[in-house]
Amino acid sequence: DNVLPQSPTTMAASPGEKVTITCHASSSGIHMNWHQQKSGTSPKLWIYDTSKLASGVPDRFSGSGSGTSYSLTINTMETEDAATYYCQQCCSTPHMYTFGAGTKLELK
Amino acid sequence: EVKLVESGGGLVQPGRSLKLSCAASGFNFNDYWMAWVRQAPGKGLEWIGEINQDSSTINYTPSLKETFTISRDNAQNILFLQTSKLGSEDTAVYYCARAHSGYIDYWGQGVMVTVSS
Repeated sequence: DNVLPQSPTTMAASPGEKVTITCHASSSGIHMNWHQQKSGTSPKLWIYDTSKLASGVPDRFSGSGSGTSYSLTINTMETEDAATYYCQQCCSTPHMYTFGAGTKLELK
Repeated sequence: EVKLVESGGGLVQPGRSLKLSCAASGFNFNDYWMAWVRQAPGKGLEWIGEINQDSSTINYTPSLKETFTISRDNAQNILFLQTSKLGSEDTAVYYCARAHSGYIDYWGQGVMVTVSS
């Protein structure tokens, strides 16, 4: 089944550094969503409808994109941002949700 | 506060079946699509399927359609995932989730299912 390509697969960033994670959609023109998952915990909705921050998400995060290319950006990396980020899209034919392979972001 | 609490997991022998439950609270359960997602150890997220408010529409990932059945009880605010014969590849954390306008907005804490003899 489809897994959306994400890049990079893993990366490390220093505090204060800018971070960009990209995801390639399987269908054009459908909003992209992002979920954050920290080790041993369940995922959390992080960004929805391509660019809207979920409740409680710091404004150093942003989402953008169109067509089949989307990105999550952290303006200035902070310690608490170390996590795995998954992109997620719905609902082309067949009607189903598809997740990205995940990007593991570590603190340098 | 939205809460989704899964139960029913554990160790199951290959070829056996299992029924997971998800108790929902803190929102009007009848108003939302609900979904199941799983995550094998060390792997990414895999969407299993979803069910609409009155159970008239149920969608599955094509490759998992023969293995899982999703249902719900709106009177009890419970979502279910019935499995058929499980294999070792079904070992995973299973998450209950609330679906909203094309994205998952709330996740349960997850329940571990280990398929092993």
